[in-house]
Amino acid sequence: ESVMTQTPLSLSVTPGQPASISCKSSQSLLHSSGNTYLHWYLQKPGQSPHLLIYEVSNRFSGVPDRFSGSGSGTDFTLKISRVEVEDVGVYYCMQTTQAPYTFGQGTKLEIK
Amino acid sequence: EVQLVESGGGLVQPGGSLRLSCAASGFAFNGHWMNWVRQAPGKGLEWVAIIKEDGSEKYYVDSVKGRFTISRDNAQKSLHLQMNSLRAEDTAVYYCVRSAVVWSLDMWGQGTMVTVSP
Repeated sequence: ESVMTQTPLSLSVTPGQPASISCKSSQSLLHSSGNTYLHWYLQKPGQSPHLLIYEVSNRFSGVPDRFSGSGSGTDFTLKISRVEVEDVGVYYCMQTTQAPYTFGQGTKLEIK
Repeated sequence: EVQLVESGGGLVQPGGSLRLSCAASGFAFNGHWMNWVRQAPGKGLEWVAIIKEDGSEKYYVDSVKGRFTISRDNAQKSLHLQMNSLRAEDTAVYYCVRSAVVWSLDMWGQGTMVTVSP
C-alpha cells in the first residue's frame, strides 16, 4: 500500500499570495503504462470533494490556471499562484496507480 | 445533467447490515469503473472499493474485505454497497464516485451518512 504524506497539514495565506502543498508517497507512483496516477482534490466547506488536477499536472475542466501540479516518482506538489478567498477548504492528494487507492491526510487552507 | 445520487444511509447497530445505492444519470454508466469513498466525521477521505465497468473485477480496502460487497446494475445505472458486520469505525459519509478514463475520480455524489451506534 502506498502511504501518502502531505505537508503542511494547514496553511494560512493572504489573498493574492502563493501557496504550495507537498505530497510524498511511500512508493513510486509510476505505473507500468508509463503514466503517473497522482491527483489533487479540493473539498470546500460543506461540499463533496472535486477534482482539481489529474495525472500530476493536468488541470480538470473548469479549474483556474492559478492551480498547477508537478512532480514525479514519489514527490509531488500542488501550487496556487495567487490564492483567492474561494480557494479555502481541504486539499487532498490521491494515488490510483495501485489498489488500494490512498489519499493524503489533507491540507486545510485558510485565508488570513 | 451528469449526476450521482446516493441513498440508503442511516443509523444501524454494531453487527448490523445496510445497503447503499447510487443512481447515475447523464453519462454512459456502463463505460466507467465506479467507486465508493468514505469520510468519517471530521476526518479525511478513505477509498473503500471499486468495480469494473462490467462488474468482473472488484477491489477493496483491507478494512472492509469480507464485510462489504460492491456491485452494479448497468441496466438500471445503479451502484450498490452491501455492508455487513458493521462496526463503529464504519461511521462515515459514503460517496459514490466515478472513475475517469485516466483513473482520477472525476465525479462525486453528495454522499449518504452511515452511523453505526448502539
